[in-house]
Amino acid sequence: QKEVEQDPGPLSVPEGAIVSLNCTYSNSAFQYFMWYRQYSRKGPELLMYTYSSGNKEDGRFTAQVDKSSKYISLFIRDSQPSDSATYLCAMSLYGNNRLAFGKGNQVVVIP
Amino acid sequence: DTEVTQTPKHLVMGMTNKKSLKCEQHMGHRAMYWYKQKAKKPPELMFVYSYEKLSINESVPSRFSPECPNSSLLNLHLHALQPEDSALYLCASSQEPGQGYHGYTFGSGTRLTVV
Repeated sequence: QKEVEQDPGPLSVPEGAIVSLNCTYSNSAFQYFMWYRQYSRKGPELLMYTYSSGNKEDGRFTAQVDKSSKYISLFIRDSQPSDSATYLCAMSLYGNNRLAFGKGNQVVVIP
Repeated sequence: DTEVTQTPKHLVMGMTNKKSLKCEQHMGHRAMYWYKQKAKKPPELMFVYSYEKLSINESVPSRFSPECPNSSLLNLHLHALQPEDSALYLCASSQEPGQGYHGYTFGSGTRLTVV
């Protein structure tokens, strides 16, 4: 079983729709959860990070963590064509330099 | 300056060549990383430098040789690579070692093709 599972998609949605992405993980010791956005031929860009369970909102983006289910989600409201990218979930232990990445989920927002 | 700058952006090299990738950050970050990313795959950690010392080598073949001349610079020296080493090589940094959980700042990468 992989440490982090993420359905690679691709996911196509019309402009203005809500995009819902998720990852599951197996290591219950993970405490820090991140979402990265990666445009084609660019490096990943940190979108959001959360600690432990709960929700975090930043503009059109909401990250949710459910540690009891080992499940994290990212929601993008009012999606825009500029949101078309690959979204990678990542997670880490406290004090650890290693990030465990999901495979990435390609999102296409159609105008 | 909130960027990690990588040069060159593209590199084509033969299997007998020696080349180097360069990474620079001026954010005062004390941990720097090299990652390798194949198409449609997540980044894979190669090396970690903490306070300019190599702290993690993820069993990377010796044809890849990292170097950290100072706290702002990270190099990756390449020699006798194989075609399967073709990938996007990403440099990243974080404020302190052991704080990868706060997220890294990634560079745009060097797209390497080995012919």
